[in-house]
Amino acid sequence: GAGVSQSPSNKVTEKGKDVELRCDPISGHTALYWYRQSLGQGLEFLIYFQGNSAPDKSGLPSDRFSAERTGGSVSTLTIQRTQQEDSAVYLCASSLARSAEQYFGPGTRLTVT
Amino acid sequence: DAKTTQPTSMDCAEGRAANLPCNHSTISGNEYVYWYRQIHSQGPQYIIHGLKNNETNEMASLIITEDRKSSTLILPHATLRDTAVYYCIAALYKLIFGAGTRLAVHP
Repeated sequence: GAGVSQSPSNKVTEKGKDVELRCDPISGHTALYWYRQSLGQGLEFLIYFQGNSAPDKSGLPSDRFSAERTGGSVSTLTIQRTQQEDSAVYLCASSLARSAEQYFGPGTRLTVT
Repeated sequence: DAKTTQPTSMDCAEGRAANLPCNHSTISGNEYVYWYRQIHSQGPQYIIHGLKNNETNEMASLIITEDRKSSTLILPHATLRDTAVYYCIAALYKLIFGAGTRLAVHP
């Protein structure tokens, strides 16, 4: 079946611009996660959505980062006033439930120039 | 989330079993042990997870000690395609990735 999809696959933006990254989770998965991986760094948790519960935003690095999940399915990660240190691969994952195995998408490579 | 400790790197001959150790001495009672791997430039791939009991699936086996302070991932017959970074994570749901173990499978 279809896996997690993300768009765009690559995004180049100028410093100071806003960007939106999209994630389509696996159908039926109630849990959705965003992570990022900077060059030479490990994977970093950003945010977690579970059903209608309040999201766990504990990993968002600054208030320039926000995310929403509409209708319990598609999620958008928004980065406002992008900085060069925001350059990274942003990964989305989904799972059937909390604590179940997470399936990762291919990621969006963001480059801030 | 509990911190995990893994060897930086390991080697394995193709066709042999690869045994990857992980220490998670501060794991709490409701945290699972997850194993993921990442092959260069791809997203992480789920391998296996468990709470207390040993687990086996088509990819690997997971052996968790009785006190849950350590575990071992076993790839029974390693192939060249198993060359990757393997991450052991102790967590309830949000995955905190460490540096992992870089496994090199050689002919």
